[in-house]
Amino acid sequence: GENVEQHPSTLSVQEGDSAVIKCTYSDSASNYFPWYKQELGKRPQLIIDIRSNVGEKKDQRIAVTLNKTAKHFSLHITETQPEDSAVYFCAPSANQAGTALIFGKGTTLSVSS
Amino acid sequence: DAGVIQSPRHEVTEMGQEVTLRCKPISGHNSLFWYRQTMMRGLELLIYFNNNVPIDDSGMPEDRFSAKMPNASFSTLKIQPSEPRDSAVYFCASSLEAGLNTEAFFGQGTRLTVV
Repeated sequence: GENVEQHPSTLSVQEGDSAVIKCTYSDSASNYFPWYKQELGKRPQLIIDIRSNVGEKKDQRIAVTLNKTAKHFSLHITETQPEDSAVYFCAPSANQAGTALIFGKGTTLSVSS
Repeated sequence: DAGVIQSPRHEVTEMGQEVTLRCKPISGHNSLFWYRQTMMRGLELLIYFNNNVPIDDSGMPEDRFSAKMPNASFSTLKIQPSEPRDSAVYFCASSLEAGLNTEAFFGQGTRLTVV
């Protein structure tokens, strides 16, 4: 099965700084790489995803970069704001019918103003 | 669509009692997942269904846990008997098709406290 690790487990930044969270996986068959955000007391929600035929994807202040050779992908948040404070989860998976998303342990991001 | 609906939102029960958590997935979604979230273990996959059929229940911690999906619009997760270490937030999620790179939509979760 897939082994997923996220680093760091906690991250504190000042408003306006950038934040980077890295996800390392073990299954070379993985070809779908989503990031979910969970605000305090809320449900996890997809914020960005990337597929293995793309190296980078950007959506306003967030971006995801992929290094399939090294089996890791990263979430980048620029110009952080207090509302970015949340737990972020990665969930790499293979494109095989009947497989479920296995989440990393999560990274708690705190943005102070 | 109202999204994935879970009930109850909160449940407090005494050790040894039976607990039943309920989930209504998004209409048209073929896959349903049950996750458990704790500070120590993060988001753990307990079991998931594809077209109402259980595909992988290897995440179910022990025989006290059972899950059913009698039809495409309803699933239950039962704990009998409950223990204090079962205290957690239980999430149900659904997607169009498990494993085909589709987004998982989560319910609001059930916070279970076993005293």
